[in-house]
This record gives sequence, C-alpha cells and structure tokens, in this order.
Amino acid sequence: DTGVSQDPRHKITKRGQNVTFRCDPISEHNRLYWYRQTLGQGPEFLTYFQNEAQLEKSRLLSDRFSAERPKGSFSTLEIQRTEQGDSAMYLCASSLVWTVAGVQETQYFGPGTRLLVL
Amino acid sequence: AQTVTQSQPEMSVQEAETVTLSCTYDTSENNYYLFWYKQPPSRQMILVIRQEAYKQQNATENRFSVNFQKAAKSFSLKISDSQLGDTAMYFCAFMGGDDMRFGAGTRLTVKP
Repeated sequence: DTGVSQDPRHKITKRGQNVTFRCDPISEHNRLYWYRQTLGQGPEFLTYFQNEAQLEKSRLLSDRFSAERPKGSFSTLEIQRTEQGDSAMYLCASSLVWTVAGVQETQYFGPGTRLLVL
Repeated sequence: AQTVTQSQPEMSVQEAETVTLSCTYDTSENNYYLFWYKQPPSRQMILVIRQEAYKQQNATENRFSVNFQKAAKSFSLKISDSQLGDTAMYFCAFMGGDDMRFGAGTRLTVKP
C-alpha cells in the first residue's frame, strides 16, 4: 500500500475557471476527508465521506465547492468559478474507523494539491 | 464548537535536548481523540502520536510522549533527544464525534 495519493500536486488557474482534484485513499479505508490549509495555518475541515455517503460539510464549503466519492473509492473535489481566496493547499486524508482492534480514528494524509488562483 | 489552541507559534531547541509543545482544547464531549501531527517543510503531514481520552495513561512513541490532562483540557507533546529531522510544523488536533479540529501549529526548529 502506497498511502494516500492526490493529483495533481500543483495547479495554477485563472480566476473564474473550474478545477477538479482527485484523492485516492488507502485501500479499504472507509472514511475520506477533505481539508483546506492556508499558509501558516492548520488544516480546516471541508467535508468527509463514510464509504460513498457524504456525511458532513463545513460552512467553509460554499456552493462553488462539490465533492464526490463514487463507489466509495477515490474522491474528487471540484471548485467552480475559482476566486483568488481559494488559493490554498487542499489535503485529503483517509481512515479505517472500525478495525478488529476497535475504533481507529487515525487519519492518514496525502501530500496535498497546492492551488494558485491568479 | 471544539477549539484547539497552540500558544507557541515558534520554538527552537538544541539538538539532543528536550522540548515541550503545548496544546489546549475546549470541548463538551467526553469521548474524543487527540493527535499530534508533524508537517516537515514542503512535505506531507504524518502522525506523531495519538491519545484516546478514555485512557488515563499517557501515550508514548519512542522519543515522543504526551502529558494528557483531561480535566485541564491540556495535551502537550514532549520530544526527547531532539534530532535535526524533527524540524517541522507540529499540529495538535482534536477529534470528537465526526468533528476534526486542528490548532494553528508550532514551528519547531532543531539547531545543531
């Protein structure tokens, strides 16, 4: 298992364009999280999935943001009509909540996608 | 709402010395998890140590240990025998229910 992967690693776009990021979680992890991290700050929760169901959205996730996790595997995060304020690192994390050892809440992070909106 | 506070934006320590990073949190939950994550420059975030709130014993992972004070809602990280590779941003994180919150981070520099 190679861990959580994200694609692309970097994205430069012009204001008003749409962008889509992909996250591939660790195999068999049932939870997948999206975070946004701006420079010098900790990650801010955006949304998360339990298998294919999107269970919670942060108020940070405006109607320009949408996320999917078809078939409970990889996930995509789309930002429509990007704004300069969307420039940030977008992190994905996954976890396997229920294990034979009990509840396991540890999240494993991907390398992130750094977005720059010009 | 849960909040996580890291009051030390930056810290430095001499190689081989010990350093303690502080973290406090606010919650009304009784069952929750606490984490310290490390984010080296331009590299991805990795888990350093985790603590379940129902466990009284402080978690330890090699040179890393925590001082978990549930009543005081404090969760500090002690790094012993600091190494140059410990230089990174350190984030304290709280997870209660489905809510994960991170502190603003402490930038730790280990000096040779």
